[in-house]
Amino acid sequence: EAGVTQSPTHLIKTRGQQVTLRCSPISGHTSVYWYQQALGLGLQFLLWYDEGEERNRGNFPPRFSGRQFPNYSSELNVNALELEDSALYLCASSSFTGEGTYNEQFFGPGTRLTVL
Amino acid sequence: AQKVTQAQTEISVVEKEDVTLDCVYETRDTTYYLFWYKQPPSGELVFLIRRNSFDEQNEISGRYSWNFQKSTSSFNFTITASQVVDSAVYFCALTYNYGQNFVFGPGTRLSVLP
Repeated sequence: EAGVTQSPTHLIKTRGQQVTLRCSPISGHTSVYWYQQALGLGLQFLLWYDEGEERNRGNFPPRFSGRQFPNYSSELNVNALELEDSALYLCASSSFTGEGTYNEQFFGPGTRLTVL
Repeated sequence: AQKVTQAQTEISVVEKEDVTLDCVYETRDTTYYLFWYKQPPSGELVFLIRRNSFDEQNEISGRYSWNFQKSTSSFNFTITASQVVDSAVYFCALTYNYGQNFVFGPGTRLSVLP
């Protein structure tokens, strides 16, 4: 069974540009989570999608947005890139089955974004 | 505030030593889950264990063991007879609010030297 996949692996952008990152969850998983991991730092929760809807959002500005498609894959969009957006962006999926579910998240390999 | 603290930023041990990674959490919820993840140099987080707030039994899986104590809000992770392949960053995480909120600790970088 395929794990969580992310594309691209690496990305280099300049300040002010826009970027789109992609994630495909494990088959059967309906929830997709996005995290930002800046160099040497922990994981900061960005967004959570389930069944096509945004379920929760971390403390990030509105220029971080995303969506989930009917096949449960997801995109993370970052507008007006800033230098501090340079980080590893991790996507995870889980089989969320409603409130009260605490399933573990399975992570993809990440997309390393460098903003120059 | 709901948070996870991993006070040990970096730990170095020599192969075959035992090592314990500390995790202390804070939450107002009575129902919550705790997790440990391993992030090897390749970058991909690997799920290790999930434990709910009502199950304080310790768990052992091979060389790995976990000690959950609600009285001290701790969920510590011990690696017995460490190996070089155990070198990684280890994250402790908390899920609360009916599974809708999640917070990761800052991670502990473990280096196992040959």
